[in-house]
Amino acid sequence: GAGVSQSPSNKVTEKGKDVELRCDPISGHTALYWYRQSLGQGLEFLIYFQGNSAPDKSGLPSDRFSAERTGGSVSTLTIQRTQQEDSAVYLCASSRDRGPEKLFFGSGTQLSVL
Amino acid sequence: QKEVEQNSGPLSVPEGAIASLNCTYSDRGSQSFFWYRQYSGKSPELIMSIYSNGDKEDGRFTAQLNKASQYVSLLIRDSQPSDSATYLCAATSSGNTPLVFGKGTRLSVIA
Repeated sequence: GAGVSQSPSNKVTEKGKDVELRCDPISGHTALYWYRQSLGQGLEFLIYFQGNSAPDKSGLPSDRFSAERTGGSVSTLTIQRTQQEDSAVYLCASSRDRGPEKLFFGSGTQLSVL
Repeated sequence: QKEVEQNSGPLSVPEGAIASLNCTYSDRGSQSFFWYRQYSGKSPELIMSIYSNGDKEDGRFTAQLNKASQYVSLLIRDSQPSDSATYLCAATSSGNTPLVFGKGTRLSVIA
């Protein structure tokens, strides 16, 4: 596809369940980011993948959050034992090369934890 | 803790006026600065980047950077109702570090 693709677009889950969010970056983009945006708030950095380097996980809020990127392309963000405070829009972005010269964002996954 | 601060607004300006959006950052090592625009319910999109002190103009938009004051601004000339959106300021120290975003300033251009 031409842009960053995220799925699902909406996810409603019950507290305590695990969820997986998927991001398919633009082909050829080596950098991939996950951000979280709560209602009316800015973008909170979660994790950053750059090529084959070890990911920067410094933004993950707890050990319930994890992410992987397979084959340098598709990434999955997993939230275990979801809590109500995890409700937010989870945005994935990719960029070409090493620097964040221009991030291309996906449409996001709206996660609602009941 | 690297932080980017913005006034949340809303900032209301009449159509045709200049809108001035401001941002400060805490990390003196920051080298690259970006302004993203986010329409309600949509994802952010890049509108300006700036790396050197001074002004950078692109159409109706001018980004200003003052590294000594750790201050970045975005001016929108001849504001239009279609400019109504949240403007996010972002900074990074290098290509190996993630982009840190501010909480954004909501701009409303009144026709």
